[in-house]
Amino acid sequence: KAGVTQTPRYLIKTRGQQVTLSCSPISGHRSVSWYQQTPGQGLQFLFEYFSETQRNKGNFPGRFSGRQFSNSRSEMNVSTLELGDSALYLCASSLAVEAVNEKLFFGSGTQLSVL
Amino acid sequence: AQKVTQAQTEISVVEKEDVTLDCVYETRDTTYYLFWYKQPPSGELVFLIRRNSFDEQNEISGRYSWNFQKSTSSFNFTITASQVVDSAVYFCALSEVSRGATNKLIFGTGTLLAVQP
Repeated sequence: KAGVTQTPRYLIKTRGQQVTLSCSPISGHRSVSWYQQTPGQGLQFLFEYFSETQRNKGNFPGRFSGRQFSNSRSEMNVSTLELGDSALYLCASSLAVEAVNEKLFFGSGTQLSVL
Repeated sequence: AQKVTQAQTEISVVEKEDVTLDCVYETRDTTYYLFWYKQPPSGELVFLIRRNSFDEQNEISGRYSWNFQKSTSSFNFTITASQVVDSAVYFCALSEVSRGATNKLIFGTGTLLAVQP
């Protein structure tokens, strides 16, 4: 069974641009979460999608958005990039059989560098 | 407020030594879940254990063991006879049930474990 796949693996953008990151969960998994990892702030929750609906959101500005498609694949978008958005963005999926507090399966992440 | 503290930023041991990674959490919830994840250099976090707040039994899995003590709000992780392959960053995390249906995790800052041959 394929794991969580995130594309692209590396991305370089300039300030002011926007970026879209993609995540394909493990087959059959219905919940997809996104996390931002930086040396200064550590791992921070961005948002979670379940059955195409956002069911939780972290404390990030509106420039960060996401969506989930009917096949459970998810994308996150960051508009008007700032230098501080440079980070490793991790996607995680779970079966969502219990709906909450399950173990998460993470992808290898997208390393975003904003110049 | 919910918080996870991993006071040890870096630990260096020699192979075959035992090592304990500390985790202290704060939550107002009576029902919550605690997790440990391992992050090797490749980047993806790998699930190690999930424990709910009502289950204070210690757990052992091979060389890994976990000690959960609600009285001290701690969930410590011990690796016995460490190996070079154990070198990674280890994260402790908290998930609160009262927050509703969610898989949101609150992570600690992580402990970098370096096992020297």
